[in-house]
Amino acid sequence: NAGVMQNPRHLVRRRGQEARLRCSPMKGHSHVYWYRQLPEEGLKFMVYLQKENIIDESGMPKERFSAEFPKEGPSILRIQQVVRGDSAAYFCASSRQGQLQETQYFGPGTRLLVL
Amino acid sequence: AQSVTQLDSQVPVFEEAPVELRCNYSSSVSVYLFWYVQYPNQGLQLLLKYLSGSTLVKGINGFEAEFNKSQTSFHLRKPSVHISDTAEYFCAVSDLGNIGFQKLVFGTGTRLLVSP
Repeated sequence: NAGVMQNPRHLVRRRGQEARLRCSPMKGHSHVYWYRQLPEEGLKFMVYLQKENIIDESGMPKERFSAEFPKEGPSILRIQQVVRGDSAAYFCASSRQGQLQETQYFGPGTRLLVL
Repeated sequence: AQSVTQLDSQVPVFEEAPVELRCNYSSSVSVYLFWYVQYPNQGLQLLLKYLSGSTLVKGINGFEAEFNKSQTSFHLRKPSVHISDTAEYFCAVSDLGNIGFQKLVFGTGTRLLVSP
């Protein structure tokens, strides 16, 4: 009974490199949410996706960040040309139907460190 | 837009003592409220949630929270804590968003430190 899977758990990148974070939702879930947790802060919403669609990306930085959730395979959060300020924990959550009262189930997160 | 305030960044408490973690929110509409727990280097786990009905909500691990609409609060309580309750606790409110999906707005978290 796998929960939300995220990999890698830890990722180290040098400034200017690309970071790819993967999220596999719980079985039967087709709605994925990405959140970012900066040091000593709470989680901030980034983007909400359904299969093959971005529903809301109002929390995503306008440049360098992109997300996708293809028909097959995991959801990907991609950060191009990383900078030190991108160092954070990135959490993915999933829900079955995306309804307002549903519980979002969180993965263990990917901790990105930019050197 | 909603916002969540957790005034206490850290709460030290002795084992078997009661604890209350405070959470206040601001919103002009009805909201859903949540408490999540985060153990070191792990993801968030739902403790409890308030959607409607009884204002006293019971969750896992002996935690409970009370929704107070007039004070816009949703404080988390446990009558007797264990060492294993040491973790970060996040209060969250659901923001309706433009299309009605659950966009969680989190507080900054309260670190509960339980000592023997």
